[in-house]
Amino acid sequence: DTAVSQTPKYLVTQMGNDKSIKCEQNLGHDTMYWYKQDSKKFLKIMFSYNNKELIINETVPNRFSPKSPDKAHLNLHINSLELGDSAVYFCASSQDAGGGQPQHFGDGTRLSIL
Amino acid sequence: GEDVEQSLFLSVREGDSSVINCTYTDSSSTYLYWYKQEPGAGLQLLTYIFSNMDMKQDQRLTVLLNKKDKHLSLRIADTQTGDSAIYFCAPTTGGGNKLTFGTGTQLKVEL
Repeated sequence: DTAVSQTPKYLVTQMGNDKSIKCEQNLGHDTMYWYKQDSKKFLKIMFSYNNKELIINETVPNRFSPKSPDKAHLNLHINSLELGDSAVYFCASSQDAGGGQPQHFGDGTRLSIL
Repeated sequence: GEDVEQSLFLSVREGDSSVINCTYTDSSSTYLYWYKQEPGAGLQLLTYIFSNMDMKQDQRLTVLLNKKDKHLSLRIADTQTGDSAIYFCAPTTGGGNKLTFGTGTQLKVEL
């Protein structure tokens, strides 16, 4: 009965490959997010979707493409993986996109590029 | 954009109080959150404060907000070894629910 679940938990792949990370939430929330945490633990938002509509799109290479098939799911596809993409990617969700709605995080996907 | 700064490390003895500090730059931050991250885990929401409050207490946790100085602190009373983790301050920016995370403070609790 995990609230925000991500798959896979670990992903090891070669430079140049294309990979996807999936996220699902069973909290009935409208808004979902992707964050990247680098090796120094610095966390930065990448994207946010509210009710399947993109509302936050930070300065992220266009090799990263999020997709939200429905409110409960937000996937992240990464093309032509580079060494600098190695990081932990966190998915989160909140009731809606208004202020004061705490974000609940998944356990992260640890992506390692060889 | 918003800058959020925290000291990198804090070491305390078990049973003492811990105070983790955070400074931010966006005066329009409406909600300010504290998250805890244990090794290899995701982020756990600890508490948050609305910007029109200056203090919030939640069991062992006390949040203090000085809006004028844009300074936020988290006090953990009776710190336990299980409190050892990285603590992130995260104010909202831009009027919505977008969070900008601080650099994180690694709390180490010694016996």
